[in-house]
Amino acid sequence: QPMLTQSSSASASLGSSVKLTCTLSSGHSNYIIAWHQQQPGKAPRYLMKLEGSGTYNKGSGVPDRFSGSSSGADRFLTISNLHLEDEADYYCETWDTYTRVFGTGTKVTVL
Amino acid sequence: EVQLVDSGGGFVKPGGSLRLSCAASGFSFSHAWMNWVRQAPGKGLDWVGRVKSNTDGGTSDYSALALGRFTISRDDSKATVYLEMNSLRTEDTAVYYCTTSLWFGDLRYDYWGQGTLVTVSS
Repeated sequence: QPMLTQSSSASASLGSSVKLTCTLSSGHSNYIIAWHQQQPGKAPRYLMKLEGSGTYNKGSGVPDRFSGSSSGADRFLTISNLHLEDEADYYCETWDTYTRVFGTGTKVTVL
Repeated sequence: EVQLVDSGGGFVKPGGSLRLSCAASGFSFSHAWMNWVRQAPGKGLDWVGRVKSNTDGGTSDYSALALGRFTISRDDSKATVYLEMNSLRTEDTAVYYCTTSLWFGDLRYDYWGQGTLVTVSS
């Protein structure tokens, strides 16, 4: 089954940009993933589906500041013009015929 | 508006059982595959399992953590999905979320319930 690797933390200043990486395991580099955001004390929220081509579709109400891109086995989430409310955990997720798998999550701190 | 409302959590002793419910509205529930995801305190998200729509066979798939102890079922007449948990262990303590992915062609939209807390302790 596929596996996902995420760095544990990232930080950037208010108003700047941050780029998060989610890496698919060997043999699964063409998999589609999804990004989810979890603000402190809240349920996760779907951000987008992201394909290996870099094509993505965002969930309802997700700000334009959030975008996705891809390169090989890497899937990226870029948050531009960071707001305080973007301080959260970000999880990538993928799936195959029988299972869904989440990455370990990246904690984003807004400085 | 799509809504998923999780309920049924609570305090249970090791070895006990609990049934969680997720009431859905705002979409065609009978066509949706429904998932349960859990999150232990201070930890990340873990997929528990899912039940397919009855039109897709209505079968369930489980992660290793759930296999043999947990059962996911659905009642389309009530637009509700259930997670039956048996032989509970302290490590099953977590917030349990119901979630679904709605597909419109190649476009995917996920929705999450608010979660329900299960505490397993003696």
